[in-house]
Amino acid sequence: KNEVEQSPQNLTAQEGEFITINCSYSVGISALHWLQQHPGGGIVSLFMLSSGKKKHGRLIATINIQEKHSSLHITASHPRDSAVYICATSDWGGSEKLVFGKGTKLTVNP
Amino acid sequence: EADIYQTPRYLVIGTGKKITLECSQTMGHDKMYWYQQDPGMELHLIHYSYGVNSTEKGDLSSESTVSRIRTEHFPLTLESARPSHTSQYLCASSGPLSSYNSPLHFGNGTRLTVT
Repeated sequence: KNEVEQSPQNLTAQEGEFITINCSYSVGISALHWLQQHPGGGIVSLFMLSSGKKKHGRLIATINIQEKHSSLHITASHPRDSAVYICATSDWGGSEKLVFGKGTKLTVNP
Repeated sequence: EADIYQTPRYLVIGTGKKITLECSQTMGHDKMYWYQQDPGMELHLIHYSYGVNSTEKGDLSSESTVSRIRTEHFPLTLESARPSHTSQYLCASSGPLSSYNSPLHFGNGTRLTVT
């Protein structure tokens, strides 16, 4: 079974800082998901990627298949980015078999 | 604007009661999922469905049951609630059955407390 590790567990930044959250996994995957969970509990899918890099606004996600590693970057961070960021992997059975990391709690102070 | 809806948002109920958590989506997705999440912990898949009349158990053992009579509706039922069932339950859906990987859409969750 895949093991998904995220680092750091907690991250505090000042508004405007560049943020990087890391995700490592142990076995080959078909796709990797980055999710955002706000304090109210709702979850939003940010990215799904299987290779290379994706960008949406101030968010950038990259994946290195050979190294089994993905990063989520936030440029010009803002207090509204404060949330838990979760990495999850899909094995070759399809997305219903996601394995989740424990999440990285990000706090951005004004 | 949510395309997947869960009700109730919060539920406090006594031990032994039967409860049903509702989940509906308007996107026509074939695949739907129920996840359980304890505070500060990762999500665990408890049930999933590929379409009408299809239900499967997930990786985490659960005493709950699910049904999928209509594409848009995937309710979860606990016949006899216990304090150990206290948790957050998140419903999600993703794409058509023909799609191998597709983004997940989550509901806002139901926070269940069993006293």
